[in-house]
Amino acid sequence: QVTLRESGPALVKPTQTLTLTCTFSGFSLSTSGMCVSWVRQPPGKALEWLALIDWDDDKYYSTSLKTRLTISKDTSKNQVVLTMTNMDPVDTATYYCARIRHGGSCYSGWFDPWGQGTLVTVSS
Amino acid sequence: SYVLTQPPSVSVAPGKTARITCGGNNIGSKSVHWYQQKPGQAPVLVIYYDSDRPSGIPERFSGSNSGNTATLTISRVEAGDEADYYCQVWDSSSDHQGVFGGGTKLTVL
Repeated sequence: QVTLRESGPALVKPTQTLTLTCTFSGFSLSTSGMCVSWVRQPPGKALEWLALIDWDDDKYYSTSLKTRLTISKDTSKNQVVLTMTNMDPVDTATYYCARIRHGGSCYSGWFDPWGQGTLVTVSS
Repeated sequence: SYVLTQPPSVSVAPGKTARITCGGNNIGSKSVHWYQQKPGQAPVLVIYYDSDRPSGIPERFSGSNSGNTATLTISRVEAGDEADYYCQVWDSSSDHQGVFGGGTKLTVL
């Protein structure tokens, strides 16, 4: 059974750097074809894709947030870490991590399953 | 950047058929995935690869994709289907970008 769980601070101040950890089980990111992604959702708003990392350590970022995001993996701990710099109140959102399943490429795949999400509030 | 357009809301009576559209430029050439999200919960996959249904998802859920529109169809709608629905694709025209539609709130009357 594949599960993912997000962890990190519930509250960050403006200009601070956010660090979120996705801890997963049921698969290994060192296995060929495996990919994990981050998605966020501001309160009452739509889902927004943030970043992806694959088994080969290839990384892709949302164009609009690229300069602020860094994604990394620790395969020994079954974790994926997302950092976002220069946090702003508009970054207040629930942040989800999800495994990407696919039939040949991460970049045609679907998010399944998702973690429960972690709400991050940006406020002074 | 690639844009997916969904109607903000769709309303349907119980037992009827709901159709939720997802519009995008030549979306028929892409693989479309659909998610259901109930209040306070994480999204759940309901359709992948345009029309495939994951195990555990009722046969009442189906999908299609052609031209500039992908459609999620829910037959014999039940009260428990009331949720937000999101379509999703990848835009790999210049870089690999995940793209979600703006979401559709399905209301069961």
